Amino acid sequence: DTGVSQNPRHKITKRGQNVTFRCDPISEHNRLYWYRQTLGQGPEFLTYFQNEAQLEKSRLLSDRFSAERPKGSFSTLEIQRTEQGDSAMYLCASSLADRDRGLFGANVLTFGAGSRLTVL
Amino acid sequence: GQSLEQPSEVTAVEGAIVQINCTYQTSGFYGLSWYQQHDGGAPTFLSYNGLDGLEETGRFSSFLSRSDSYGYLLLQELQMKDSASYFCAVRDILTGGGNKLTFGTGTQLKVEL
Repeated sequence: DTGVSQNPRHKITKRGQNVTFRCDPISEHNRLYWYRQTLGQGPEFLTYFQNEAQLEKSRLLSDRFSAERPKGSFSTLEIQRTEQGDSAMYLCASSLADRDRGLFGANVLTFGAGSRLTVL
Repeated sequence: GQSLEQPSEVTAVEGAIVQINCTYQTSGFYGLSWYQQHDGGAPTFLSYNGLDGLEETGRFSSFLSRSDSYGYLLLQELQMKDSASYFCAVRDILTGGGNKLTFGTGTQLKVEL
């Protein structure tokens, strides 16, 4: 297994355009998370999936943001009508559920290298 | 909600020991984790404390006191490669199904010769 894979690694777009990021988690992990990170800050939670079900969304996730995880494998994060404030690193992470690894399960996230978005 | 406080920056010399503190506020505490992130890299898991006490993993140790809502990461025998940002993260069982980690703003550790 090659870990969590994200693409594209970098995306530069003009304000108002739509962008989509893809995340391929570790194959045996059933939980998948999206976080956003800006310079000098910690990762901010956006949403997470258990298998194909989206179980929680942050209020940071406006209606311009949508995430999917069809078939419980890869996930996509789409941002519509991008704004300059959307410029950030978008991190995907995956984990096992607690029952699969005791209490460590959902505390141990494996992150991808991220997709850096720049909105001009 | 949750909030975490950690120092923004710590500087130490190679071979020394450094402690990075983290205080948190959360209603349904379910564990404190530590992650390391090098510039341009992904956060990587270092350590987890679900119960009070010390957890040791090689040169890194992490401590938790739930009564004080406080934990720390201890790095021994510092090496230049330890220069990175370190994040504490809490899991809150009462928020949103208890399955997300909330991260602090991070402590940038600079190791000097």
